[in-house]
Amino acid sequence: AQTVTQSQPEMSVQEAETVTLSCTYDTSESDYYLFWYKQPPSRQMILVIRQEAYKQQNATENRFSVNFQKAAKSFSLKISDSQLGDAAMYFCAYTSGGSNYKLTFGKGTLLTVNP
Amino acid sequence: DTGVSQDPRHKITKRGQNVTFRCDPISEHNRLYWYRQTLGQGPEFLTYFQNEAQLEKSRLLSDRFSAERPKGSFSTLEIQRTEQGDSAMYLCASRLDGSYEQYFGPGTRLTVT
Repeated sequence: AQTVTQSQPEMSVQEAETVTLSCTYDTSESDYYLFWYKQPPSRQMILVIRQEAYKQQNATENRFSVNFQKAAKSFSLKISDSQLGDAAMYFCAYTSGGSNYKLTFGKGTLLTVNP
Repeated sequence: DTGVSQDPRHKITKRGQNVTFRCDPISEHNRLYWYRQTLGQGPEFLTYFQNEAQLEKSRLLSDRFSAERPKGSFSTLEIQRTEQGDSAMYLCASRLDGSYEQYFGPGTRLTVT
């Protein structure tokens, strides 16, 4: 079974600084997809960034980028120029076609942005 | 595209009562998922529909839980004889056939007293 591990329950960053959230996963499949979702307090889950395992190039979406290390099964999220609105719970998630594309989530990292 | 909607947003019920939640996916999305999220945890998969067919159920979905998607559009999740351990956020997500990305609704927060 696939597992996703987020080893940082909480992180904090100063506004305008850069922060990196860690995620590792375990799978025996070769074709899969990884995501970072953002869940602000009492608000819905929003997709931040996605990475296809077959792509070597790391995904980037504006201030958000990932460091995908397939051999190490590592998938970290870097947030540059942090903003107050980035404060939220961040979840790393995995899916594959072999599992009907259902998502397996980590336990999340609570990000605080200090002004 | 109005997004995934869920109703109600909050539900408080007494132990032993039955509750039903509704999810309306994005209109052209034929794949629908239910997840449960307890406090401080990531969402956990409950069940999956392709159109009206329920193709997969998690072991988390006990006999007290039933989900339907009668016409391949909206879905309902019913919990019978609720227990305090059922208190959680119930999330619905949908995706388009041929895509792997899921879009989430706002969730229904259930509190069993």
